[in-house]
Amino acid sequence: GEDVEQSLFLSVREGDSSVINCTYTDSSSTYLYWYKQEPGAGLQLLTYIFSNMDMKQDQRLTVLLNKKDKHLSLRIADTQTGDSAIYFCAEGYGGATNKLIFGTGTLLAVQP
Amino acid sequence: DTGVSQDPRHKITKRGQNVTFRCDPISEHNRLYWYRQTLGQGPEFLTYFQNEAQLEKSRLLSDRFSAERPKGSFSTLEIQRTEQGDSAMYLCASSLGSATNEKLFFGSGTQLSVL
Repeated sequence: GEDVEQSLFLSVREGDSSVINCTYTDSSSTYLYWYKQEPGAGLQLLTYIFSNMDMKQDQRLTVLLNKKDKHLSLRIADTQTGDSAIYFCAEGYGGATNKLIFGTGTLLAVQP
Repeated sequence: DTGVSQDPRHKITKRGQNVTFRCDPISEHNRLYWYRQTLGQGPEFLTYFQNEAQLEKSRLLSDRFSAERPKGSFSTLEIQRTEQGDSAMYLCASSLGSATNEKLFFGSGTQLSVL
C-alpha cells in the first residue's frame, strides 16, 4: 500500500543544519520529491531524486535515500529564517501518470 | 514561463451551491493534475489529464466533482451541491511528462470555504 510518514515538527537555530526525515512503504516508487509550502501558498518543488540514487546535492540541500529501509531525508545546511515552512516528501511512480503520494508534512521553525 | 496559475485564489460559498475553479498550466506541459489539501494534511491526488484526456480519477472524486480539459490547455474543476466537507485548498499541477523530466509544478491553489 501507499503510505508516507513524516515527523510533525522540527525546531532549529539559524545557521544550524536541519534534517527532515520521511519513511515510505511502497518500494515501487520511481522518484522521491521534497516540496516546500509557505503559509497560504502552493507547493514549491525543492528537489527530487531518482530511486536508484543514494544521494543528491543541490546547493544547501542534500537528499539521502536508503531504499532498503525506505527512508528519505532532506538536509538543509546553514538554515535561515526564510527556510521556515512546511516540508512535504512525496513518492511518485513515473510512467503514464506519475501521481504523487504526499506525506503529512513537517513544520520547520527556524529560531533567530 | 509564468508558472501554473489558478483562479480564484479564494472562494466562499454556501452549502448546496455549485463552484468552478480554473487552472492554467505551464504552456508546454501536457500533463495536468488536480489535488486537494485539507488543513494539516498533505495534498491528495484527485485526477489527472494527459492533454485533453482524463486518464485517472481518485475514488475521492465523488459524482459531484467533474473536471475537464477541453483543448488540452487550461482545466476546470466543478463541484456541484457543495458540502462543508468540500472545504479545502484545491491545487493544480502540471508537468512536461517526458521520460526524463518528472517534475511537477504546483499553482498557488484555490482555497474553498463552504458555509
